[in-house]
Amino acid sequence: DAGVIQSPRHEVTEMGQEVTLRCKPISGHDYLFWYRQTMMRGLELLIYFNNNVPIDDSGMPEDRFSAKMPNASFSTLKIQPSEPRDSAVYFCASSLITSGGNPGYNEQFFGPGTRLTVL
Amino acid sequence: AQKVTQAQTEISVVEKEDVTLDCVYETRDTTYYLFWYKQPPSGELVFLIRRNSFDEQNEISGRYSWNFQKSTSSFNFTITASQVVDSAVYFCALSDETDSWGKLQFGAGTQVVVTP
Repeated sequence: DAGVIQSPRHEVTEMGQEVTLRCKPISGHDYLFWYRQTMMRGLELLIYFNNNVPIDDSGMPEDRFSAKMPNASFSTLKIQPSEPRDSAVYFCASSLITSGGNPGYNEQFFGPGTRLTVL
Repeated sequence: AQKVTQAQTEISVVEKEDVTLDCVYETRDTTYYLFWYKQPPSGELVFLIRRNSFDEQNEISGRYSWNFQKSTSSFNFTITASQVVDSAVYFCALSDETDSWGKLQFGAGTQVVVTP
């Protein structure tokens, strides 16, 4: 079975440009997570969705960041305008929570990540 | 405040040695979940083990074992007879109700280097 798919795998852009990262979760999973990993701050949760609805976006750093999940099989994370400090690896993860289950219990399946470099 | 602390930045061992990774967590909830994830050089995080707060029984799964002690808020992880393929960054993570169930809070990670 295909795992979580992210594209692009690498992105190099110039400051001020718009960047869009894409994620396809594992089919049937109902939770989707966006993380950012940097040397300074480690792994941080940016936002997560349940059944395409954003549940917690408290980790989104500022208004330049936005995330959408138009359907169960696709999500985007957009940065506009991008800045050098946004350079990081961005991970998407998905999870399946059984009916009545606690979403904190189930493991998350991570994609390969997108390495973003903003010059 | 950091809720998951991994004090060891890097551990280097020779193949076949055991490796124990320390993890100390902080939560006020009575129900919570603890995880260990592995991040090999390829970059993708891989789930290893999970433990809920009501089950302090320590277990062994293949070459992996873990020691969960609520009294000291520790969830340590051991790799027995390490192999070169175990070289990776290992993350301890916590999920609790206070910070919303879906939110995995990761420690800083411990780099494990296994040399032949």
